[in-house]
Amino acid sequence: QQQVKQSPQSLIVQKGGISIINCAYENTAFDYFPWYQQFPGKGPALLIAIRPDVSEKKEGRFTISFNKSAKQFSLHIMDSQPGDSATYFCAASIGNNDMRFGAGTRLTVKP
Amino acid sequence: GAGVSQSPSNKVTEKGKDVELRCDPISGHTALYWYRQSLGQGLEFLIYFQGNSAPDKSGLPSDRFSAERTGGSVSTLTIQRTQQEDSAVYLCASSLDRGGNTIYFGEGSWLTVV
Repeated sequence: QQQVKQSPQSLIVQKGGISIINCAYENTAFDYFPWYQQFPGKGPALLIAIRPDVSEKKEGRFTISFNKSAKQFSLHIMDSQPGDSATYFCAASIGNNDMRFGAGTRLTVKP
Repeated sequence: GAGVSQSPSNKVTEKGKDVELRCDPISGHTALYWYRQSLGQGLEFLIYFQGNSAPDKSGLPSDRFSAERTGGSVSTLTIQRTQQEDSAVYLCASSLDRGGNTIYFGEGSWLTVV
């Protein structure tokens, strides 16, 4: 069963805009929520991660918002740039064990 | 090595043949994962190795799939009697251990079954 549901499947944003990708999870035992970025022909790479003891984490233009009661978390990319065009995956795990990924969001940032 | 190394990077095989995909994790990483990514799809968990513990095989889609990890380092994913639906990118990843350490992915092995 899909333990992490991600939306939207694809997203087109103008340069300078805000990109928002959402994820929802079911297992309340999950305690680690990373986001991965994947460029074509490459493996996914860790972008930013959060634990459920905080509601928000910001690194540069990337912010994770976490809502424990709703079992949802989202990635916000501020001032989106064409170089941000990639596929983004949310994930959830207990510690680092058996990480479960969302289906991915293909982001296109138009110049 | 500097990163997770996978081979072959591309493999075309005939339906019914067996294939072996190799993963060389980052030196010192005790946790190793295999994922499958079908075209335009998400990452499907296949199997997880942690040190000397019994592997978590819960994601293997059928008994045609198997994996081993020798000496706690290199891992081989074997697909027997390949089918066209096995065509995908097989991604290997490793991490230092459990507990929220970063998982590092290789660039994948692109398998095409014709």
